[in-house]
Amino acid sequence: VQLVESGGGLVQPGRSLRLSCSASGFTFDDYAMHWVRQAPGKGLEWVSGISWDTNSRGYADSVKGRFIISRDNDNGALYLQMDSLRAGDTALYYCVKEGLWNAFDFWGQGTMVTVSS
Amino acid sequence: EIVLTQSPATLSLSPGERATLSCRASQGVGTDLAWYQQKPGQAPRLLIYDASNRATGIPARFSGSGSETDFTLTISSLEPEDFAIYYCQERKRWPTFGQGTRLEIK
Repeated sequence: VQLVESGGGLVQPGRSLRLSCSASGFTFDDYAMHWVRQAPGKGLEWVSGISWDTNSRGYADSVKGRFIISRDNDNGALYLQMDSLRAGDTALYYCVKEGLWNAFDFWGQGTMVTVSS
Repeated sequence: EIVLTQSPATLSLSPGERATLSCRASQGVGTDLAWYQQKPGQAPRLLIYDASNRATGIPARFSGSGSETDFTLTISSLEPEDFAIYYCQERKRWPTFGQGTRLEIK
């Protein structure tokens, strides 16, 4: 299993960024996928998740209305559209596969998002 | 929203000792709880799922127990590579994580 995130970078407050995750080594459209973030020196925060069939999507209260999760099952890709970015969104964003028993069994190495003027 | 509270925040022990980490949920989650280990500069790694099942490749010294609101991760005899931060996570609806327990060398 490989999960490779991309799209992070330095962005000004109020601007947008789109994260991507390329998945391989498993049947992508069999599994729910998530984004989890970790601010520098802080703990893990679940950001958003999407079911295998895209019928169910969830968001943390801190990003609801600003972030949109999506996936492309044909190409094994997960996305996170992040709008109206704030300083508090600064973090390492992990792409995560949900396995059996609802646990997060594989994690990417993360892509860093820095929101600063 | 379910809140997970981990204790202690920091645990200082020596190699060979037994570690007991606690995770308490604000409401019952059945056995829908997982534990993760994170070392500096690395992504988290799944240790335990469904409260008590070891993930693939996890040594037998790691064990999980509990249900509903009270859960425990036990490391029977600490190895040098076990000193890390440990997180619990529930998945009753959308996931939440505990704030973590830092296991440090005494």
